[in-house]
Amino acid sequence: KNEVEQSPQNLTAQEGEFITINCSYSVGISALHWLQQHPGGGIVSLFMLSSGKKKHGRLIATINIQEKHSSLHITASHPRDSAVYICAVRGGATNKLIFGTGTLLAVQP
Amino acid sequence: KAGVTQTPRYLIKTRGQQVTLSCSPISGHRSVSWYQQTPGQGLQFLFEYFSETQRNKGNFPGRFSGRQFSNSRSEMNVSTLELGDSALYLCASSLAPGAMETQYFGPGTRLLVL
Repeated sequence: KNEVEQSPQNLTAQEGEFITINCSYSVGISALHWLQQHPGGGIVSLFMLSSGKKKHGRLIATINIQEKHSSLHITASHPRDSAVYICAVRGGATNKLIFGTGTLLAVQP
Repeated sequence: KAGVTQTPRYLIKTRGQQVTLSCSPISGHRSVSWYQQTPGQGLQFLFEYFSETQRNKGNFPGRFSGRQFSNSRSEMNVSTLELGDSALYLCASSLAPGAMETQYFGPGTRLLVL
């Protein structure tokens, strides 16, 4: 079993829909990251969380440390949100970044 | 401020050769991390450097090595290339190591091993 699990693996939404991507992890962590990767490879760091909730524009990230679970929400989705969203945790025995397999999001106009 | 730059952007090598990839961090950033991304394994951590010292290393064979220079620029080297080393190699920089430091990723070097 992977230490970081994301769901769903693939997600297709219509423009304007509210989107949720989930991340569960099995190790103790010091921080959780949400990353966005567009076609071509470029990765952008969206959020870093150690507790609670953060909001940036239409993006909201939450984390529940007790349940070892985080969610990334996109409100009023837009085709430019189409990308792979990757959850990563820093922790475990080695304190290295451990990545989830990513969620491929396609937002259709 | 210029972003993280990686050179070369694309590279084709044959099995058994060696390769050196370069990463220049954002000015003022002293921590550099390297990652490998493949369709099968996804993103995997390779190394983390800070002040010319390797702070952490992923589960990769000894053929993978790296270093960091006094100007914070970093290189990684893969010797005796194998087909499975074909991947996107990403470098990321941050001001310092630490769980809550934002990492800024470069565009990556796409390596194809034939």
